[in-house]
Amino acid sequence: GAVVSQHPSWVICKSGTSVKIECRSLDFQATTMFWYRQFPKQSLMLMATSNEGSKATYEQGVEKDKFLINHASLTLSTLTVTSAHPEDSSFYICSARFRKETQYFGPGTRLLVL
Amino acid sequence: GENVEQHPSTLSVQEGDSAVIKCTYSDSASNYFPWYKQELGKGPQLIIDIRSNVGEKKDQRIAVTLNKTAKHFSLHITETQPEDSAVYFCAASTHHSGYALNFGKGTSLLVTP
Repeated sequence: GAVVSQHPSWVICKSGTSVKIECRSLDFQATTMFWYRQFPKQSLMLMATSNEGSKATYEQGVEKDKFLINHASLTLSTLTVTSAHPEDSSFYICSARFRKETQYFGPGTRLLVL
Repeated sequence: GENVEQHPSTLSVQEGDSAVIKCTYSDSASNYFPWYKQELGKGPQLIIDIRSNVGEKKDQRIAVTLNKTAKHFSLHITETQPEDSAVYFCAASTHHSGYALNFGKGTSLLVTP
């Protein structure tokens, strides 16, 4: 099946710093990637839709200036959490759209902000 | 927007028994329904999906059924094994939303030996 990678798998940072998370589709090109956030024992919440070569579309309630998304190529999308605070600690997961509607997910990035 | 309800939230079965998880959706325009399995600390893994022009799909021990009229779809796992233990999520999406997924709240399945 299609493979999606994420890097880093986990990160610990100090409050106020910025963190960049990369999402790559390894064996296919993805014009659309999605970023989700998941709190413990909860479902996945869509944060934004990332389209290659254009601005990301953010879900209601997600601060676009805080969660910067860049989809510069057909295999790479990045999520930057700017000025991170403890409440931003979460499990961030990306997915890449493959052949119309199918989405394959990355392994996730666990962010802990101290 | 789309609302996906999933039941039960937890399910415990004995090895070898069947497990059934049910989901309902609200948007009649939804036309793609995937199921994902998520193990602790990992990303969701696509296990099976169904499109609105199909009523049932099977892949070995896993099957999904779709009732468009009633707006509900179900996951059936037969001959369960301990390694089936995980959280299962249903989702629904439409072409109009760029196939962004709306997830149910998940079902924690425990298969006991």
